[in-house]
Amino acid sequence: EVQLVESGGGFVQPGGSLRLSCAASGFALSAYYMSWVRQAPGTGPEWVANIKQDGSERYYVDSVKGRFTISRDNAKNSLYLQMNSLRDEDTAVYYCARDLYDILTGSSHDAFDLWGQGTMVTVSS
Amino acid sequence: DIVMTQSPDSLAVSLGERATINCKSSQSVLYSSKNKNYLAWYQQKPGQPPKLLIYWASTRESGVPDRFSGSGSGTDFTLTISSLQAEDVAVYYCQQYYGSPRFGQGTKVEIK
Repeated sequence: EVQLVESGGGFVQPGGSLRLSCAASGFALSAYYMSWVRQAPGTGPEWVANIKQDGSERYYVDSVKGRFTISRDNAKNSLYLQMNSLRDEDTAVYYCARDLYDILTGSSHDAFDLWGQGTMVTVSS
Repeated sequence: DIVMTQSPDSLAVSLGERATINCKSSQSVLYSSKNKNYLAWYQQKPGQPPKLLIYWASTRESGVPDRFSGSGSGTDFTLTISSLQAEDVAVYYCQQYYGSPRFGQGTKVEIK
């Protein structure tokens, strides 16, 4: 079965750190750009970061630059998000998501055709 | 940043009737040289992740019922559910991927 499974969420105080993991199965992670998308309670989704297939390019939303790091281990079919200096406003469900791959052009696009079930991150004192 | 604004915030439609959701981007998401609109639609049910319904503004994702259709170009887009079914009750989001990906605020669809 093609799926993504996140882990690593939890409760952390402001200024703390967490590392999220995403395990892919049923497909080769190495073939896809991958993203993290978060959703705070009662709001729409917010794209957080993405990473190229070989890890050579990474992009972030401005609000997490310098605090979050996206990485991947294709041999383990896994994606990661290291989150440091956490703030109250980082509280959200964090989803691992697969970027759309256009077979005809061989290009990747930031629409998301596969999502995990999400892992909750709560930042509070 | 390209900001996405949906309307209405919520709507109630009778079973079997048409539901129409609008999405407006703050600047064009049409990539002229490719003649493609970088616009997607998602459905999210409570406790579930978003599900991709439509990409390139009008291309239905595999397995999505044909009662869902997308239209529009440039800055104005529409998601139409031609005949609302009970299982379509959800929040719907548009998303642009022309620039840094960004979602609309969502439209909640309920049964009247």
